[in-house]
Amino acid sequence: NAGVTQTPKFQVLKTGQSMTLQCAQDMNHEYMSWYRQDPGMGLRLIHYSVGAGITDQGEVPNGYNVSRSTTEDFPLRLLSAAPSQTSVYFCASSPGQGASYEQYFGPGTRLTVT
Amino acid sequence: AQSVAQPEDQVNVAEGNPLTVKCTYSVSGNPYLFWYVQYPNRGLQFLLKYITGDNLVKGSYGFEAEFNKSQTSFHLKKPSALVSDSALYFCAVEAAGNKLTFGGGTRVLVKP
Repeated sequence: NAGVTQTPKFQVLKTGQSMTLQCAQDMNHEYMSWYRQDPGMGLRLIHYSVGAGITDQGEVPNGYNVSRSTTEDFPLRLLSAAPSQTSVYFCASSPGQGASYEQYFGPGTRLTVT
Repeated sequence: AQSVAQPEDQVNVAEGNPLTVKCTYSVSGNPYLFWYVQYPNRGLQFLLKYITGDNLVKGSYGFEAEFNKSQTSFHLKKPSALVSDSALYFCAVEAAGNKLTFGGGTRVLVKP
């Protein structure tokens, strides 16, 4: 099992550019989510999905889009990058919702927007 | 609204000494509490969780945490710290569904 994989590991964008952060998991998990990590602020939820075809907004969704066409993949799209989106992005998955399930995190994507 | 506070940005401890990382929470209803650890340039890894039952929860790598309802705390502890425990530690509380709210993190530095 590769677990949760994310690509790319690093990315530099100019303001206004768009890009997609990729996330895939091979554990057949129904629940997937995207977080951003900023110093001193912990992780904040951007979007999440409870299964293929179902997505919802988290705490900080503005400027980001997601889709879930398969169980395995959950890409995060930045529509028009802004310096405020400079952050480390983590994808996570778990077998289901609820406290019975721990989340499995990918290694992260470090994004810099200039 | 729910929240998690980790009052210490950094904890320094000598190898072999006890390690404590503090966490307090605010949530309506019964809390589900978690600790995750992040090693440099890695994603977060699950350490332990409290759902219900015994207030002392044991987890991975010799860590344990004590749930204290009256003090709304969930401090992480290890009796004897190792240099390899140096990492960033996050406390989290669960919202409805599986949406975690994380604290700001505490960096632990264990010195030889």
